[in-house]
Amino acid sequence: NAGVTQTPKFRVLKTGQSMTLLCAQDMNHEYMYWYRQDPGMGLRLIHYSVGEGTTAKGEVPDGYNVSRLKKQNFLLGLESAAPSQTSVYFCASSYGDSRNEQFFGPGTRLTVL
Amino acid sequence: SQELEQSPQSLIVQEGKNLTINCTSSKTLYGLYWYKQKYGEGLIFLMMLQKGGEEKSHEKITAKLDEKKQQSSLHITASQPSHAGIYLCGALGGSARQLTFGSGTQLTVLP
Repeated sequence: NAGVTQTPKFRVLKTGQSMTLLCAQDMNHEYMYWYRQDPGMGLRLIHYSVGEGTTAKGEVPDGYNVSRLKKQNFLLGLESAAPSQTSVYFCASSYGDSRNEQFFGPGTRLTVL
Repeated sequence: SQELEQSPQSLIVQEGKNLTINCTSSKTLYGLYWYKQKYGEGLIFLMMLQKGGEEKSHEKITAKLDEKKQQSSLHITASQPSHAGIYLCGALGGSARQLTFGSGTQLTVLP
């Protein structure tokens, strides 16, 4: 039982390049989330999904797109990376019940030059 | 939107000392989570509080949600170097039950 995994762990991009971050969970969770963490700002929600085939915008969605084609996977895409997107990205998943404990992946550290 | 303010932002204590971290919300809390994060790693769930006055403990860490449900405190007794890390509080809310996080408290425990 791997829990929540994220790939890659590190990535350096040049401005304007594109990339996709992959999140996978093996707990049969319905809900999945993408957050970004910046110094002094805690975690902020980018996009989320409440089930396979659904996605919705969070607090800071601009510049990102997501897809949830399979229940266990949640992809975060950057179409044209900008230096402001340098951050640590965390994926989380949960059952979506009243307790809704969220399980987090180890994070992806992204630098955009 | 709900905002969470954590204090202090950073804390340095000597091993064996007690400490408290506070989390204050701009709105009523319907679920308050405490997570711990070590540098370069993901978030580890510590505990969740839902009811006013509720108190939970895990090993030497105790968290409490006040009666009015707008503030929570995390107390560590007899701190150890293994307690070092960033402590984050998160408030439950929204249609997808997403979390809004405080900015975190960086804890350093000196041996």
